[in-house]
Amino acid sequence: NAGVTQTPKFRILKIGQSMTLQCAQDMNHNYMYWYRQDPGMGLKLIYYSVGAGITDKGEVPNGYNVSRSTTEDFPLRLELAAPSQTSVYFCASSRGWGNTIYFGEGSWLTVV
Amino acid sequence: GNSVTQMEGPVTLSEEAFLTINCTYTATGYPSLFWYVQYPGEGLQLLLKATKADDKGSNKGFEATYRKETTSFHLEKGSVQVSDSAVYFCALSEDGYNKLIFGAGTRLAVHP
Repeated sequence: NAGVTQTPKFRILKIGQSMTLQCAQDMNHNYMYWYRQDPGMGLKLIYYSVGAGITDKGEVPNGYNVSRSTTEDFPLRLELAAPSQTSVYFCASSRGWGNTIYFGEGSWLTVV
Repeated sequence: GNSVTQMEGPVTLSEEAFLTINCTYTATGYPSLFWYVQYPGEGLQLLLKATKADDKGSNKGFEATYRKETTSFHLEKGSVQVSDSAVYFCALSEDGYNKLIFGAGTRLAVHP
């Protein structure tokens, strides 16, 4: 019953450092997403992918990069971390259009 | 652009009280509408959805009806329980990629 698995769950970064948030799903879903959730706000889409080798920007892509080399994995890369990237990050996946979207448990990131 | 507006929280109720959380949307086409629930420390879970006008989504005693004439999708439950305490998000999806646009979320606290 793994579903969508995110690592790490918590991380503190210093300004200017880089890191990768890992996301893996074991449901053979084609669509995967990264969202961020700021305090008191709804989730905003960072990047999404509709299949291996295909990625596209969402609403708030600046400061992030993604890759999708396999169906299962969709890592999110933060380059030159900034305090504005302090947030909770959620990875999600779905089989395709009209299908239920499943979310991971979230990764809490603080940039100091 | 598309957007979702939901009532601000927190909403505090006694057990067995009636719940309404208002949600209105702006969309250029014919979106699908969703309610997601986030329990403390967890990721989002789909609570219910509706894909066309006048559809009623329901799950776990919660209901919401897709009202195109008022562009609304209000969440209701006749008798809340302490276990319903969570943050509730209204969301819409309008494209073929299942990309979600979220409201800011409404925190519900139910007391015995």
